[in-house]
Amino acid sequence: QVQLVESGGGVVQPGRSLRLSCAASGFTFSTYAMHWIRQAPGGGLEWVAVIWYDGSQKYYTDSVEGRFTISRDNSKNTLYLQMNSLRAEDTAVYYCAKTETNGWYEDVWGQGTTVTVSS
Amino acid sequence: DIQLTQSPSFLSASVGDRVTFTCRASQGISSYLTWYQQKPGKAPKVLIYAASTLQSGVPSRFSGSGSGTEFTLTISGLQPEDFATYYCQQLKTYPRTFGQGTRLEIK
Repeated sequence: QVQLVESGGGVVQPGRSLRLSCAASGFTFSTYAMHWIRQAPGGGLEWVAVIWYDGSQKYYTDSVEGRFTISRDNSKNTLYLQMNSLRAEDTAVYYCAKTETNGWYEDVWGQGTTVTVSS
Repeated sequence: DIQLTQSPSFLSASVGDRVTFTCRASQGISSYLTWYQQKPGKAPKVLIYAASTLQSGVPSRFSGSGSGTEFTLTISGLQPEDFATYYCQQLKTYPRTFGQGTRLEIK
């Protein structure tokens, strides 16, 4: 069964760091690009970052560029999001998602992990 | 960055109605557009990709059209399970962006 399971969310103070993980199973993780997408409470979807299947390319949305780092360990079938200098506006549910084979959409999503940035 | 503007932001409709949502891009994106449906507390589910291709398993009452900067999602004959929030997403360039969503509620 194809599955993504996020972990690592929690409550953190502004300016601190947090690392999210996404464990993949049921598919050949090392052959797919992976995304992080977030959703603020009561808000819409915001695409955050992508990493190529081999880690060779990474892209970020402007608001997290320089603060967040996406990475992956294909030997562990795990995707990561290192979040530094967290701000209140980073509060959201964070989803990891797998790219469909031809890149047209994200076809498998995790259940999400909640990050709350608050003093 | 490419901005996507969805309209309306909120729509109230009845079971059996035909409804149409619009998504406008700030610059041309050819057919690089995906439509998602999201229900409360759940991850989004893809409905339409490449602007007009119905995802496998999605009922045929859903249809998409458009190219360039203007796109539409139509639901013909609303069913109770269709009341949800709908998002468009462009895949033309990074950063990928979503529209702000259209919330569809039961009248």
